[in-house]
Amino acid sequence: NAGVTQTPKFQVLKTGQSMTLQCAQDMNHEYMSWYRQDPGMGLRLIHYSVGAGITDQGEVPNGYNVSRSTTEDFPLRLLSAAPSQTSVYFCASRAGGVYEQYFGPGTRLTVT
Amino acid sequence: GDSVTQMEGPVTLSEEAFLTINCTYTATGYPSLFWYVQYPGEGLQLLLKATKADDKGSNKGFEATYRKETTSFHLEKGSVQVSDSAVYFCALSERTGTASKLTFGTGTRLQVTL
Repeated sequence: NAGVTQTPKFQVLKTGQSMTLQCAQDMNHEYMSWYRQDPGMGLRLIHYSVGAGITDQGEVPNGYNVSRSTTEDFPLRLLSAAPSQTSVYFCASRAGGVYEQYFGPGTRLTVT
Repeated sequence: GDSVTQMEGPVTLSEEAFLTINCTYTATGYPSLFWYVQYPGEGLQLLLKATKADDKGSNKGFEATYRKETTSFHLEKGSVQVSDSAVYFCALSERTGTASKLTFGTGTRLQVTL
């Protein structure tokens, strides 16, 4: 099992550009989430999904879109990047009825 | 809402020293509690968990006890190693929640020196 994979590992964007952060898991987990990690703020939930076709907002959803067309994939879209979105982004997944979340290695995004 | 408060770091210790990282929480229900560890350049890994009051989670020499009366879940290790240098996150998840949500503390960086 590869677990949770994320691409790219690093990305630099200019303000106003759009991009998609990819996340995939091969554990057949129902639940997937996106977090951002900022210094001194821990991890904050952006969006999450409880199954294919079902998504919901987390704590800091503005400026981000998600979709879940398959169990395996949960991409995060930045529609118009802003410097405030400079952060490290983590995708996570877990099985239903279990609390342990598995995290991907992260994507470090810089918006100039 | 739910919240987790951790002691601020960085914590710098010599190898074989005793480690305590404090964590307290606020929650409306009966949360499960977790410690996650993040090694440099990597994602978070679950270190240990406790799902009800008085439970003790343990792993790799680390321990934490779920104290409902003090709403705490302090992380301890009797003898740290250089390889324990990492950032440690305390987190909670509400037991009744169905969504995949964890509430994290801000993290405590541990630096262990020889």
